[in-house]
Amino acid sequence: EPEVTQTPSHQVTQMGQEVILRCVPISNHLYFYWYRQILGQKVEFLVSFYNNEISEKSEIFDDQFSVERPDGSNFTLKIRSTKLEDSAMYFCASSEGTDTDTQYFGPGTRLTVL
Amino acid sequence: QKEVEQNSGPLSVPEGAIASLNCTYSDRGSQSFFWYRQYSGKSPELIMSIYSNGDKEDGRFTAQLNKASQYVSLLIRDSQPSDSATYLCAVTPGNQFYFGTGTSLTVIP
Repeated sequence: EPEVTQTPSHQVTQMGQEVILRCVPISNHLYFYWYRQILGQKVEFLVSFYNNEISEKSEIFDDQFSVERPDGSNFTLKIRSTKLEDSAMYFCASSEGTDTDTQYFGPGTRLTVL
Repeated sequence: QKEVEQNSGPLSVPEGAIASLNCTYSDRGSQSFFWYRQYSGKSPELIMSIYSNGDKEDGRFTAQLNKASQYVSLLIRDSQPSDSATYLCAVTPGNQFYFGTGTSLTVIP
């Protein structure tokens, strides 16, 4: 069964460093998303991406964040100059045909900022 | 502000009983509704989706939607210890999902 994959599973970085989180969405899906979940809190939307551009972003997704689809399979989230409060699980998701379709989540990347 | 409210629990039920999970949402423009299950440290896993008013059954799970009351629920029949997890309600008017904080369910053997 197709699934969303994410790498790495755990990323440890120093405050102020840049990190890139990688995702491979399900191959025939058209909509891609990033969410984060701070430990013990709810899953929060960051950004959605369709047709090679951002279609919606939350207030969390400020200039520190960027997304890219560098090739036909990968979808990346870059966090510049990481802060302690960026420590969280980051989930990538994808959906098939419309923006109200079921979103399938990857296993997540746990980001720890020291 | 689009809010999705869930009783955080914990909810405990004995094995074999029915577990009832509830969710309310604030955005009347919401079109699609989902229940996800999340085990500790893992990603959300889809249980069911529901798009129109009424009940939708899938095995031991039944989702109920009432758009007029802005209410969606999940019933789990014949609860099993493996059902012990946090259940997330997700609502979307399109594009992004709004998640509730989740209800923690424990099924006692």
